[in-house]
Amino acid sequence: DAKTTQPTSMDCAEGRAANLPCNHSTISGNEYVYWYRQIHSQGPQYIIHGLKNNETNEMASLIITEDRKSSTLILPHATLRDTAVYYCIVRAMNSGYSTLTFGKGTMLLVSP
Amino acid sequence: NAGVMQNPRHLVRRRGQEARLRCSPMKGHSHVYWYRQLPEEGLKFMVYLQKENIIDESGMPKERFSAEFPKEGPSILRIQQVVRGDSAAYFCATAGGDTYEQYFGPGTRLTVT
Repeated sequence: DAKTTQPTSMDCAEGRAANLPCNHSTISGNEYVYWYRQIHSQGPQYIIHGLKNNETNEMASLIITEDRKSSTLILPHATLRDTAVYYCIVRAMNSGYSTLTFGKGTMLLVSP
Repeated sequence: NAGVMQNPRHLVRRRGQEARLRCSPMKGHSHVYWYRQLPEEGLKFMVYLQKENIIDESGMPKERFSAEFPKEGPSILRIQQVVRGDSAAYFCATAGGDTYEQYFGPGTRLTVT
């Protein structure tokens, strides 16, 4: 699976949009971009995934650049409960139920 | 995380004892993954199982660790003769049905004294 690069940490004010970037310049055509987050001491939580089109669900939006070499996870109105480590993972889907390779992620701190 | 159950949530063992960690998948899921998170480190894949089969155990230590997912009942990660370095949070994730997303349980925190 392709390697990803994320900032170590980010800050966001409560109620504002949190935009978390991820670089995956070596991504290949059959690899999806997945986002998970881990709130302190809890199990990771699936957020969203996409291949090349932008995606939105009740939790977040995922914007993938046209060349697919980077993406941004957007939390439109961050709350204190969104404070967590956010992981961007590139995952080949031709292997179906493949494992996840977690990097160090981005520690997002949402402040009042 | 709703639906994936892990027990116990906290487990304390003395060096040399055995630890058994259980994972009950979400309804309809037949794929189980175990991950370990050492203190202040990221999650590392250990083993991937389907019912009664080990599919990928490339992340599992060669000695003292074993995993199973029987036809009936939860998946079990077994650590024999635990050492202090086994102290970590152990998470299972499950998948199945018509999606490939993995859903994680709350984890078991193992402390070896």
